[in-house]
Amino acid sequence: SAVISQKPSRDICQRGTSLTIQCQVDSQVTMMFWYRQQPGQSLTLIATANQGSEATYESGFVIDKFPISRPNLTFSTLTVSNMSPEDSSIYLCSVVKPENTEAFFGQGTRLTVV
Amino acid sequence: GDSVTQMEGPVTLSEEAFLTINCTYTATGYPSLFWYVQYPGEGLQLLLKATKADDKGSNKGFEATYRKETTSFHLEKGSVQVSDSAVYFCALSARNSNYQLIWGAGTKLIIKP
Repeated sequence: SAVISQKPSRDICQRGTSLTIQCQVDSQVTMMFWYRQQPGQSLTLIATANQGSEATYESGFVIDKFPISRPNLTFSTLTVSNMSPEDSSIYLCSVVKPENTEAFFGQGTRLTVV
Repeated sequence: GDSVTQMEGPVTLSEEAFLTINCTYTATGYPSLFWYVQYPGEGLQLLLKATKADDKGSNKGFEATYRKETTSFHLEKGSVQVSDSAVYFCALSARNSNYQLIWGAGTKLIIKP
């Protein structure tokens, strides 16, 4: 299994500012994913962050808005830049263990932009 | 592209009722299939999974069978409890997809005592 610690668990931010979300895993993992979950909705993949390469962004998400760092096999950050109220959502970090294809999730960061 | 369709919620049942949440998928090849659960105020956790046709995943009294002929992975439980109230997500992982998960919309389950 994998235990993921995600910080902060929630935050209220002013529009125009930026927030960096941290994701710490208790074991080395190659594949890490960042999702957004808007209230009452399913998960939308923002990007895949594999160590040793630049993050791969899904359609509708760009690096300038959601820069990602992946300095090692146990840690990643997602920054939500120049925030607007439309960015209010839950942001989730996830890792996959290829040996059993199971995905593990952090508790999520509930972001409110005012 | 690959997709997952699951029944819309909320689904409201009385305690001890039989539960079915439908999930169908579209994928090339032979994906792995998952049910994840999100309890109120908590993160997502794996409920059960199946990695090949005719496999049955089971956990906490929940079951789902990988049916290739009907491209389905319906979630069932014989007798639900109030503590089963949560949002349930069906998902698939295509083998050539770098382990990305494709998610259904989620089904909110409400169990009344």
